[in-house]
Amino acid sequence: ETGVTQTPRHLVMGMTNKKSLKCEQHLGHNAMYWYKQSAKKPLELMFVYSLEERVENNSVPSRFSPECPNSSHLFLHLHTLQPEDSALYLCASSQDLLAGGDNEQFFGPGTRLTVL
Amino acid sequence: ELKVEQNPLFLSMQEGKNYTIYCNYSTTSDRLYWYRQDPGKSLESLFVLLSNGAVKQEGRLMASLDTKARLSTLHITAAVHDLSATYFCAVDIKPGNNRKLIWGLGTSLAVNP
Repeated sequence: ETGVTQTPRHLVMGMTNKKSLKCEQHLGHNAMYWYKQSAKKPLELMFVYSLEERVENNSVPSRFSPECPNSSHLFLHLHTLQPEDSALYLCASSQDLLAGGDNEQFFGPGTRLTVL
Repeated sequence: ELKVEQNPLFLSMQEGKNYTIYCNYSTTSDRLYWYRQDPGKSLESLFVLLSNGAVKQEGRLMASLDTKARLSTLHITAAVHDLSATYFCAVDIKPGNNRKLIWGLGTSLAVNP
């Protein structure tokens, strides 16, 4: 595997379900991100982890719960979602400036989530 | 309020023509990124512009950055159908101790024969 991978690619869930999205980066980066992409809206940053520590949480509802067990893996745990949470969820990674990178973000293919 | 404005948001152009997409932003930044997204696909990095006056070219695309004017341009030369996609600019800012990207809405480009 190369780059940034995400599973599953498609997910349909009911409002009472619990599911998790997984992201893995094979680039040796030290920062990982979760974004939400909805039609006709700018890309929304949800969470940022740098060196496995959460450094950004943009007022995301608690029904979204991130987890970063190590610098290569990132999860987004979902529970009791709403239909308006249906969107493309993108994971990205970067090497930040302090670690000698230029903060260019590399994206995974995304998970298309539909909440019924 | 931090804003990144792209225009146009929709662009239909003929093959062989030239056009420029603009990205204006409302806060101080010295680095900007351009990405491409094909329908149903993820975002692909095109250019990283790291300083005022930076210019980068790849094939028929050329990007530039003017940090004083808070403006970046993505110029398309002799467009071909394969360039049809949505193009996003993202501005790197540092509120507090951590950097993050603020994204434009994207410019949906259709290149017609």
